[in-house]
Amino acid sequence: SAVISQKPSRDICQRGTSLTIQCQVDSQVTMMFWYRQQPGQSLTLIATANQGSEATYESGFVIDKFPISRPNLTFSTLTVSNMSPEDSSIYLCSVRTSLHDTQYFGPGTRLTVL
Amino acid sequence: AQSVTQPDIHITVSEGASLELRCNYSYGATPYLFWYVQSPGQGLQLLLKYFSGDTLVQGIKGFEAEFKRSQSSFNLRKPSVHWSDAAEYFCAVGALANQAGTALIFGKGTTLSVSS
Repeated sequence: SAVISQKPSRDICQRGTSLTIQCQVDSQVTMMFWYRQQPGQSLTLIATANQGSEATYESGFVIDKFPISRPNLTFSTLTVSNMSPEDSSIYLCSVRTSLHDTQYFGPGTRLTVL
Repeated sequence: AQSVTQPDIHITVSEGASLELRCNYSYGATPYLFWYVQSPGQGLQLLLKYFSGDTLVQGIKGFEAEFKRSQSSFNLRKPSVHWSDAAEYFCAVGALANQAGTALIFGKGTTLSVSS
């Protein structure tokens, strides 16, 4: 299994600002992902964080809005840029150690944009 | 494209009654399937998973699910529901193939309410 921590756990931000969310895993993992869960909704995949290269974004998500870094096999950041109230969501980091393993989720970062 | 459908948005069952939550998937490759539960204000907890083998899988908290390839379904069941089972339940599907970076795709979820 993998234990995932995220910082911050929650934040309240002003419109037009940016927030960087950190994800730390207690072991090296092959695959890291970022999801968004809007209020009362399911999880939507934002991107796959690739070590040493640009993230792979899903349709509807772009690098300028959600830049992602992954400098090593245990750490990643997601930045939510130029925020608007529509960005108010829970952002979750997720990892898989291998294709035949479970996908684990961090506790999430609850973001409110005013 | 892969997708997961949970037809029931909200289900209410009486405490002690049986439960079945439906999940249908569309996936071109051999799928692996999960059920997660999310209690209010809490993170995602894995209930059970199916990779291969026996199509009836047992999970935590007395839950089980049955994979039916012919129906593209992976329904979650529990014989006797407890009030603490009230939560949001998500079905998810992923690829069991050599596709690096493949992430789980989630259904929209089913909210379970338990009445006394």
